[in-house]
Amino acid sequence: LAKTTQPISMDSYEGQEVNITCSHNNIATNDYITWYQQFPSQGPRFIIQGYKTKVTNEVASLFIPADRKSSTLSLPRVSLSDTAVYYCLVSPSTTGGGNKLTFGTGTQLKVEL
Amino acid sequence: SAVISQKPSRDICQRGTSLTIQCQVDSQVTMMFWYRQQPGQSLTLIATANQGSEATYESGFVIDKFPISRPNLTFSTLTVSNMSPEDSSIYLCSVGPRSGVDTQYFGPGTRLTVL
Repeated sequence: LAKTTQPISMDSYEGQEVNITCSHNNIATNDYITWYQQFPSQGPRFIIQGYKTKVTNEVASLFIPADRKSSTLSLPRVSLSDTAVYYCLVSPSTTGGGNKLTFGTGTQLKVEL
Repeated sequence: SAVISQKPSRDICQRGTSLTIQCQVDSQVTMMFWYRQQPGQSLTLIATANQGSEATYESGFVIDKFPISRPNLTFSTLTVSNMSPEDSSIYLCSVGPRSGVDTQYFGPGTRLTVL
């Protein structure tokens, strides 16, 4: 399983755009990049997933360069409620109902007024 | 998406006792996973619960300590046996999609405190 590296923590203020970069140098050809968000006392929640270039949904954007060795989660105009731990994971497409996931340290994002 | 519930949501237990945690999914799934998250730490996979076969344990986790049942495609249990304070953690179950790109869904977790 590809190992990921993220900053341990980031601070921001309400209304700002936050970009969290994840390094995954040994990503495999069939690996996808997925980001999860975890609030205290809750299980991780899927945010966004991509394979290459750019993916955007109602919550975030995910930028993946051509070499796919890194990815950047972009949160537009964060609010206090975006304070959480963000995990970047890489895993292959599944044919058997899911893959075991390896969680790294994650990035603790703290948003202040 | 899948809706997952866990029981109990939290418990405080005495050293040497055992606790069984239940995970219920609102749809049939092939594989279910059990994770542990110690205070302030990331998630660590304990085992994969396969329906109709024994669970597959990760390095550092053994069946005697964490027996798992998977009686059907919507339910699984994890037992934490002969507990010690070091077992105080949040235990989470997750499920994956039937096939295709892997997007897992996690339960709310069970917060266990061992005195």
